Amino acid sequence: EDKVVQSPLSLVVHEGDTVTLNCSYEVTNFRSLLWYKQEKKAPTFLFMLTSSGIEKKSGRLSSILDKKELFSILNITATQTGDSAVYLCAVAMDNYGQNFVFGPGTRLSVLP
Amino acid sequence: DTGVSQDPRHKITKRGQNVTFRCDPISEHNRLYWYRQTLGQGPEFLTYFQNEAQLEKSRLLSDRFSAERPKGSFSTLEIQRTEQGDSAMYLCASSVGTTRTEAFFGQGTRLTVV
Repeated sequence: EDKVVQSPLSLVVHEGDTVTLNCSYEVTNFRSLLWYKQEKKAPTFLFMLTSSGIEKKSGRLSSILDKKELFSILNITATQTGDSAVYLCAVAMDNYGQNFVFGPGTRLSVLP
Repeated sequence: DTGVSQDPRHKITKRGQNVTFRCDPISEHNRLYWYRQTLGQGPEFLTYFQNEAQLEKSRLLSDRFSAERPKGSFSTLEIQRTEQGDSAMYLCASSVGTTRTEAFFGQGTRLTVV
């Protein structure tokens, strides 16, 4: 069964801290791995990763994929209270439906 | 607003009633997905359309659930004879095609069955 696992499930830090969120997966026909940020409603797209070892970066957020070890990390440096959210990892599979399998998410709380 | 649009945003219904939700994807996106999300969980895949064709359905989608995308644009998700366990956020997402797989989500419809 296709599976995406995230850790930790919950994390509390103070502003200015750096955090690393983990995502591991076991899926058939991997196509890409995606990170989303979900605050109150819709998940908003952060990164899509398809190749190992190539870091994607956007401001204080960065992510990298290891297709050999089947995991990805999302780093957030100099965290701010506005980073508080659930961070979802999803894997897109290159099968007939090309649907996405999501992990349970990591709930990040950044305290002032 | 050119994002994914869902209607209604909230729906409260009595157990046993039928409900229908609508999703309007981003206009040039030919793929449309429905997900269900319960508190503390990631979105769970329900079904997927490429244009008007429903290509995949999750085993989570019981016979009380039906989805359509008749003209390959907007989609509807209907739940018949609702049960309390159907209470969840129903998310719709769309994506452009084979070369880019990132999906963009709507704001969701929160269903409460009482």
